[in-house]
Amino acid sequence: DGGITQSPKYLFRKEGQNVTLSCEQNLNHDAMYWYRQDPGQGLRLIYYSQIVNDFQKGDIAEGYSVSREKKESFPLTVTSAQKNPTAFYLCASSTQMGTGELFFGEGSRLTVL
Amino acid sequence: GNSVTQMEGPVTLSEEAFLTINCTYTATGYPSLFWYVQYPGEGLQLLLKATKADDKGSNKGFEATYRKETTSFHLEKGSVQVSDSAVYFCALIIPTGGGNKLTFGTGTQLKVEL
Repeated sequence: DGGITQSPKYLFRKEGQNVTLSCEQNLNHDAMYWYRQDPGQGLRLIYYSQIVNDFQKGDIAEGYSVSREKKESFPLTVTSAQKNPTAFYLCASSTQMGTGELFFGEGSRLTVL
Repeated sequence: GNSVTQMEGPVTLSEEAFLTINCTYTATGYPSLFWYVQYPGEGLQLLLKATKADDKGSNKGFEATYRKETTSFHLEKGSVQVSDSAVYFCALIIPTGGGNKLTFGTGTQLKVEL
């Protein structure tokens, strides 16, 4: 079955450590996205990529980094510079930018201890 | 800029009750409108969409009509079930020249009880 796989589902990190969240899709989609979800704040866009080897900052990119070396993969690194990293992170993809029809993974919950 | 405003939750209903979740928007341009649903512990799923004024999106018994005159896209269902308990997000996108990014509302939690 086609879909988006995020891992790990739960992750604990000590302050000062970087952590990388994995996102893989087998939908052959060009565009991929990372969102952060906090209670009562909806979804906020961190980074997005329209094509391999290209990505753009979203609304809250500070303290995060991404890469897009393969069409299927769009990992997100939460760096120690991110001041409040505890959140639920969602990866999504779409056939192309602008459709509004996103397919989401099941999310990764990061807790900083 | 673009924004989406949803009614605050949680909304608590008895099974078989009628559901309305209000959504209004502001947009610079002609948006396409969406409802996404998030079941507990999962990612979001597209529930329905409408791309132009007076269009009605529908899926799984849910409906929403794109009302340009009131800038609204309210979600309705005639008879809710316990399995409809989830968080519902209204969203918009400007398909051309609007940055091609979805703008989400803050979400409305629905709880359906027996």
